[in-house]
Amino acid sequence: EDQVTQSPEALRLQEGESSSLNCSYTVSGLRGLFWYRQDPGKGPEFLFTLYSAGEEKEKERLKATLTKKESFLHITAPKPEDSATYLCAVDNNYGQNFVFGPGTRLSVLP
Amino acid sequence: DAGVTQSPTHLIKTRGQHVTLRCSPISGHKSVSWYQQVLGQGPQFIFQYYEKEERGRGNFPDRFSARQFPNYSSELNVNALLLGDSALYLCASSLDTDTQYFGPGTRLTVL
Repeated sequence: EDQVTQSPEALRLQEGESSSLNCSYTVSGLRGLFWYRQDPGKGPEFLFTLYSAGEEKEKERLKATLTKKESFLHITAPKPEDSATYLCAVDNNYGQNFVFGPGTRLSVLP
Repeated sequence: DAGVTQSPTHLIKTRGQHVTLRCSPISGHKSVSWYQQVLGQGPQFIFQYYEKEERGRGNFPDRFSARQFPNYSSELNVNALLLGDSALYLCASSLDTDTQYFGPGTRLTVL
């Protein structure tokens, strides 16, 4: 069965303190790995899509990387507005659509 | 361009009732997916429709059903509501089976 786990469950950073979030996955055939940001009570906001091991994508203070078993979301010099839950999802080959991890709840303190 | 829209934003129902949630995809997107998100968890896949045909179904009971219309909008129906159906229901659209873009969700509360 396809599974996605994320760690840590929650992370508290001081403004400017860089860190990384982890997404580990077990999937029969990976078509893509997706990162989303979700603010409380709102729908997930798309950040990145990664398709193959070794691929990297960047957007402002965020950088996503992918290996054969996990993905990392690196946050450089975060600001309070980066506080949100970050969700990782995988798309497999069997029509089961996206399988989401439980998310990492990030708090950035000023 | 407008993003994915969902209606209503909030809904309160009692156990045993029926509910219909609606979704309009991004213009040009032909695929719509539905997810249930319980507080503190990631979204869980319910259905995917592409070109009005069901393409995928998650592990949900038959009380859950959906359909897609010729204009690619979609409805999610839930019969015989249970307390455990209380959740944020998310709709996502995509061009095909690629990146999915989510709407703001419908918050359903079952009393």
